[in-house]
Amino acid sequence: QSVLTQPPSASGTPGQRVTISCSGNSSNIGFNTVNWYQQFPGTAPKLLIYKNNERPSGVPDRFSGSKSGTSASLAISGLQSEDEADYYCSVWDDSLNEPVFGGGTKLSVL
Amino acid sequence: EVQLVESGGGLVQPGRSLRLSCAASGFTFDDHAMHWVRQAPGKGLEWVSGISWNSGNIDYADSVKGRFTISRDNAKNSLYLQMNSLKTEDMALYYCAKDMAIAARTDTFDFWGQGTMVSVSS
Repeated sequence: QSVLTQPPSASGTPGQRVTISCSGNSSNIGFNTVNWYQQFPGTAPKLLIYKNNERPSGVPDRFSGSKSGTSASLAISGLQSEDEADYYCSVWDDSLNEPVFGGGTKLSVL
Repeated sequence: EVQLVESGGGLVQPGRSLRLSCAASGFTFDDHAMHWVRQAPGKGLEWVSGISWNSGNIDYADSVKGRFTISRDNAKNSLYLQMNSLKTEDMALYYCAKDMAIAARTDTFDFWGQGTMVSVSS
């Protein structure tokens, strides 16, 4: 069972805005910054968002991140079929003294 | 272009050992901390171990502590993971990942290799 809780699945239609949540506690999200990774089937994960809301070079501004208290969210606006992938949140956990991942959310574009 | 190429995976019996390697190129290897992250078939991501740029800071997940050893050779631009006393639950795709920060460790993985599969079965 993951320290960070994500919904196992999410879905939306093309053009829609979807959000994926990541719930933690005061030992992780409450005091540390959150990263998000995107993973397509059979490929390696890719850094999508770092430090809660920063986008690496090349990541479209349709992707945005936010954090409030002990929860974080990834928002995808103008949903496209190529956004269909698994999404993982990650953060340092002060109690475990290691970085932890959420269980992942499978995004479907209907 | 950053490239991380893992090797050394394979099928091994429980209790045996395996050594993974990761060859890095396209960036100044000795500027960055490096990590191993694994993914069991059909499951999520799990951080395994991390090592600072100068090997001065090394950490392990509790699940592998005492059995796995991470190391690096900056002269060869290479990262390693020595895995001893392997268990069936260690079976996973093992990714080598680059830390984003220079001369620091942020546990933000900005580049990943394609992974090497470790299967543990009798």
